[in-house]
Amino acid sequence: EPEVTQTPSHQVTQMGQEVILRCVPISNHLYFYWYRQILGQKVEFLVSFYNNEISEKSEIFDDQFSVERPDGSNFTLKIRSTKLEDSAMYFCASSERGAGESYNEQFFGPGTRLTVL
Amino acid sequence: QKEVEQNSGPLSVPEGAIASLNCTYSDRGSQSFFWYRQYSGKSPELIMFIYSNGDKEDGRFTAQLNKASQYVSLLIRDSQPSDSATYLCAVGGLGSGNTGKLIFGQGTTLQVKP
Repeated sequence: EPEVTQTPSHQVTQMGQEVILRCVPISNHLYFYWYRQILGQKVEFLVSFYNNEISEKSEIFDDQFSVERPDGSNFTLKIRSTKLEDSAMYFCASSERGAGESYNEQFFGPGTRLTVL
Repeated sequence: QKEVEQNSGPLSVPEGAIASLNCTYSDRGSQSFFWYRQYSGKSPELIMFIYSNGDKEDGRFTAQLNKASQYVSLLIRDSQPSDSATYLCAVGGLGSGNTGKLIFGQGTTLQVKP
């Protein structure tokens, strides 16, 4: 069964360093998302992406964050200068249909645990 | 501020019983409702979705939606110890201008005791 994959599974970095989290969405999906979950807290929306553009971003997704679809399969989240509070589990998700259509179930990848020291 | 509320639990039920998980949401414009299961340290796994008022059944799971009351629930029949997990309610919009953003509740921890 097709699934979303993410690498690395765990990333440890020093405060102020840049990190890139990678995702391979399900192959026929066109809509991509990043969420994060701080330990013990809710899953929070970061950004949605379609047709090589950001559709919506949350207040969390400030100028330190960026997303890119560098080729036909990868979807990346970059944090330019990490902060301690960026430590969280980052989930990539994808859906086949868009939110303007009736069914847009999102399937999540296994996540990348980011630890900022 | 759009909110999704769930009782964090834990909800403890004996094996074989029915587990009932509840969720309320604040945005009347919400149109799509999802239940995810999350085991500790793992990612959310989609188990049910519902878009219309009423009940939707899939195996041992039944999702119930009441848009007038802004309430969605998940029933798990014949609960098994393997159902022990945190259940996340997620709410999204529908229609033009909506970008697929899901708003999640805090999750309800379910414990099924053998």
